[in-house]
Amino acid sequence: QQQVKQSPQSLIVQKGGISIINCAYENTAFDYFPWYQQFPGKGPALLIAIRPDVSEKKEGRFTISFNKSAKQFSLHIMDSQPGDSATYFCAASRGGSQGNLIFGKGTKLSVKP
Amino acid sequence: ETGVTQSPTHLIKTRGQQVTLRCSSQSGHNTVSWYQQALGQGPQFIFQYYREEENGRGNFPPRFSGLQFPNYSSELNVNALELDDSALYLCASSLKEQGNSPLHFGNGTRLTVT
Repeated sequence: QQQVKQSPQSLIVQKGGISIINCAYENTAFDYFPWYQQFPGKGPALLIAIRPDVSEKKEGRFTISFNKSAKQFSLHIMDSQPGDSATYFCAASRGGSQGNLIFGKGTKLSVKP
Repeated sequence: ETGVTQSPTHLIKTRGQQVTLRCSSQSGHNTVSWYQQALGQGPQFIFQYYREEENGRGNFPPRFSGLQFPNYSSELNVNALELDDSALYLCASSLKEQGNSPLHFGNGTRLTVT
């Protein structure tokens, strides 16, 4: 049973465009929803995270939109750049940022110049 | 501030052997979590250590075991290696007492079992 479902599996966006990655979760006890960015040969790095009492959080070009009733959240990357080309993972946990993260399967983003 | 470091970076083992992977947590962090990332998949939680005790475990068999030392560094041990154990093993550290402290991942150890 996959508790966090992520789509699409891969995404190609032109430079300057908007990249959108979606995730859906099942467990209503989850209380922490981070997005991680991973480059080849590197470990995941935290991009941005949100808690369920907030519907949107923005940090620079990255925005999380959160829909508690639909049990969905998404990552928007504005003005996408070739340097954003990486694999993105959504995740969810109980117990906040200290909880055990359950990851989606990842989205490979390619930003074309 | 020193980040999470893992050793070795790559390792090749034969089925049935045992392996030990090592992790030094980020300076100031007291909690270490281990994740397994198969090729093309998201990381899967193995277990977490806090104050040298196991503090949560994922759906992994007992042949996956760990240790945390007084300096908060950690080891992951895997016995009786199987081909499916081939993966990137990630260590992440955090500060338990800081409620919003996120996980900081190392770059992992790539284990290949032949």
